[in-house]
Amino acid sequence: DQQVKQNSPSLSVQEGRISILNCDYTNSMFDYFLWYKKYPAEGPTFLISISSIKDKNEDGRFTVFLNKSAKHLSLHIVPSQPGDSAVYFCAATAGSARQLTFGSGTQLTVLP
Amino acid sequence: NAGVTQTPKFRILKIGQSMTLQCAQDMNHNYMYWYRQDPGMGLKLIYYSVGAGITDKGEVPNGYNVSRSTTEDFPLRLELAAPSQTSVYFCASSSGASYGYTFGSGTRLTVV
Repeated sequence: DQQVKQNSPSLSVQEGRISILNCDYTNSMFDYFLWYKKYPAEGPTFLISISSIKDKNEDGRFTVFLNKSAKHLSLHIVPSQPGDSAVYFCAATAGSARQLTFGSGTQLTVLP
Repeated sequence: NAGVTQTPKFRILKIGQSMTLQCAQDMNHNYMYWYRQDPGMGLKLIYYSVGAGITDKGEVPNGYNVSRSTTEDFPLRLELAAPSQTSVYFCASSSGASYGYTFGSGTRLTVV
């Protein structure tokens, strides 16, 4: 049973437009959420995170929104750039050892 | 500034063979993790450790073993390799002060 779901395997957007990546979760015990970015043949790199006590966190072009009642979070990238083309993983944690549960990823392609 | 180093990068094993995937970090992180990523899937937790001498099972531990004799090293042992263990394996570490992980670049393992 997937506790963290990314229902869109892929997304294409034009350079300069907004990219919106979505993530849903089922475990009410999750208290921290993160987004990771992954290029081919590399390990994932941390992008941005949000605590369950907040509903928005911004870092430059990246903003994460959390809707606890809907158990939904989203990552907004504005403006999108070709270098943003990568696989984006949503992750969540509830454990004291900070174990992360990952979604299956969304391949973002930003077209020039 | 090496971060998390994984060796080897690629390996082909025959069914029934054994091997050890090496993971070392130089950031003095207490928390270390092993994940596997199958095609089109998210990362699944195999084992984790919260400090030297302490290890615990994750979501998919069967067929694997780990040890943590030092803070720096967290090797993953595969005994009696099976085709189902064909995957990309990622090691990660965390200070525990934040939820973000630092990942290694991965080991691509094929069992034939």
